[in-house]
Amino acid sequence: GAGVSQSPSNKVTEKGKDVELRCDPISGHTALYWYRQSLGQGLEFLIYFQGNSAPDKSGLPSDRFSAERTGGSVSTLTIQRTQQEDSAVYLCASSLSLLGYTFGSGTRLTVV
Amino acid sequence: DAKTTQPTSMDCAEGRAANLPCNHSTISGNEYVYWYRQIHSQGPQYIIHGLKNNETNEMASLIITEDRKSSTLILPHATLRDTAVYYCIVRGGNYGQNFVFGPGTRLSVLP
Repeated sequence: GAGVSQSPSNKVTEKGKDVELRCDPISGHTALYWYRQSLGQGLEFLIYFQGNSAPDKSGLPSDRFSAERTGGSVSTLTIQRTQQEDSAVYLCASSLSLLGYTFGSGTRLTVV
Repeated sequence: DAKTTQPTSMDCAEGRAANLPCNHSTISGNEYVYWYRQIHSQGPQYIIHGLKNNETNEMASLIITEDRKSSTLILPHATLRDTAVYYCIVRGGNYGQNFVFGPGTRLSVLP
């Protein structure tokens, strides 16, 4: 597609449930990043994939968070046993060059 | 931590130029200056980037001082749709580094 696509756009889940967030990057983009943004806060880096290299997981806040990228394209961010503090907008971005990222519109996760 | 310092907020009259400053006094030789903006409820949008020369594209101009310790993003004719949070980010030129977003400058374009 023309841009980075994220789904779902909104997700409401109960505390303790697992959720999966999906990101379809721009075709051919080798780098993929996940960020999250809590209400009124800045962007927090979570994880980064570059080609076939091992992902940079240094931003994941706990072991309840994991992500994978299949076939160098689609990525799934999984949050296990969700907590209320996980409520945020989860943003995915992809990149091919130094021109920087193209961000998706995000998934708004609400844990109740 | 973000390597840049920006004013928290700025106002600009519609139709006038918006000049957004950024200090990056610890920038190293291989680091670029990037600007992004985030309009309410949307993902950040790339605007422009530069290394040491001034840059211009259809959205904005980027003026980098000779010592590279500061820069200014210029929106030549601001419109109401330019109201957003503007992020100035310093990053190296390889893929292995993520963008570190600070709080940015909240620009309000006033009618």
